[in-house]
Amino acid sequence: GQNIDQPTEMTATEGAIVQINCTYQTSGFNGLFWYQQHAGEAPTFLSYNVLDGLEEKGRFSSFLSRSKGYSYLLLKELQMKDSASYLCASNGGYNKLIFGAGTRLAVHP
Amino acid sequence: IAGITQAPTSQILAAGRRMTLRCTQDMRHNAMYWYRQDLGLGLRLIHYSNTAGTTGKGEVPDGYSVSRANTDDFPLTLASAVPSQTSVYFCASSESDRGSSGYTFGSGTRLTVV
Repeated sequence: GQNIDQPTEMTATEGAIVQINCTYQTSGFNGLFWYQQHAGEAPTFLSYNVLDGLEEKGRFSSFLSRSKGYSYLLLKELQMKDSASYLCASNGGYNKLIFGAGTRLAVHP
Repeated sequence: IAGITQAPTSQILAAGRRMTLRCTQDMRHNAMYWYRQDLGLGLRLIHYSNTAGTTGKGEVPDGYSVSRANTDDFPLTLASAVPSQTSVYFCASSESDRGSSGYTFGSGTRLTVV
């Protein structure tokens, strides 16, 4: 079966660090994506992991453990503009992404 | 500006009517996709096309059809709309079907079937 789980909502304080977790079970695996989606807008690409370990890109980092079916997105030095939904997606083959329902992050002053 | 254009932006449609959502990309991407996004369910794949002339069914294809006559265009047709097809529809494309390039999404079409 195909299943992507991530928390529904999270809150954090401006300037802080937040970790958004994602567990996945897909029939095939060719990588794990994270997307950011602001309300009423299209998702935008944040990161891609296909090997185990941490990928760092500025204030955002993404981690993957293939043996555990687990990933997280780490956001540092949070800003108000980081308030958005964060979508975890697994590439199950032929680039057909299976998306989780998304984690809605609210950043407060 | 290179990207994906979807039309219309929003639409209210009477149940039973036929509707085609348009999607055009100018990035020469081989693969294109249609997703619907519903609250609490996330993005679900309706249909996809790995290259011009080929299409495939995704997770929720019933009630929808697609065609891919050329690289740039990937229209989605609802033959006879039903209220359960009320959703936000996103078209997306990627450079290849190999996964690492990620998707580029259009701005979406908000469809309400009444």
